Amino acid sequence: GAVVSQHPSRVICKSGTSVKIECRSLDFQATTMFWYRQFPKQSLMLMATSNEGSKATYEQGVEKDKFLINHASLTLSTLTVTSAHPEDSSFYICSASGVVENTEAFFGQGTRLTVV
Amino acid sequence: DAKTTQPPSMDCAEGRAANLPCNHSTISGNEYVYWYRQIHSQGPQYIIHGLKNNETNEMASLIITEDRKSSTLILPHATLRDTAVYYCIVSATDSWGKLQFGAGTQVVVTP
Repeated sequence: GAVVSQHPSRVICKSGTSVKIECRSLDFQATTMFWYRQFPKQSLMLMATSNEGSKATYEQGVEKDKFLINHASLTLSTLTVTSAHPEDSSFYICSASGVVENTEAFFGQGTRLTVV
Repeated sequence: DAKTTQPPSMDCAEGRAANLPCNHSTISGNEYVYWYRQIHSQGPQYIIHGLKNNETNEMASLIITEDRKSSTLILPHATLRDTAVYYCIVSATDSWGKLQFGAGTQVVVTP
């Protein structure tokens, strides 16, 4: 299957700082990318939908000014957690869909964020 | 609102077939049934998907009832590496790729 790569896989940051997570589709053009968050022992929660060249669409309850999403190219989307706090500590996962409809979405390996 | 209902957990003996049920009684005509699994601390892995016909690939088989209100994922010969949380998700064609995950089924394969 297609490959989606996230970087970094783990990051520890201080409270109040910002962290950027990258999501790259390595062998296909991703017209749409999705960002999820997963707390321990819980399921994945969709945060936002990112379309190349346009503003992201955020799910209800997700602060767009705190979780900045940029999808500047067909192979790269970034999620920036701004002014991070300990409660933002979580597992962040991206997925990407290609141009062929009704096919599967491919997931990155996830980024474990710990805010201290 | 949960679109799918799955048992929270199930055990399976290594080498045996694992049959994972999923109820999606409110599925719409333009919604596909997707199955993903997540091994601890990894991103979800695609398994299979279908609209109304049964599907089979190298990983699993998907059996969808004629009324499309339920489906079963079959892992033909479970191995220890199949221990994971399995998610059944319905997703519409006009929002494909956008997946709303439920609680899933924790499958534990035992020797």
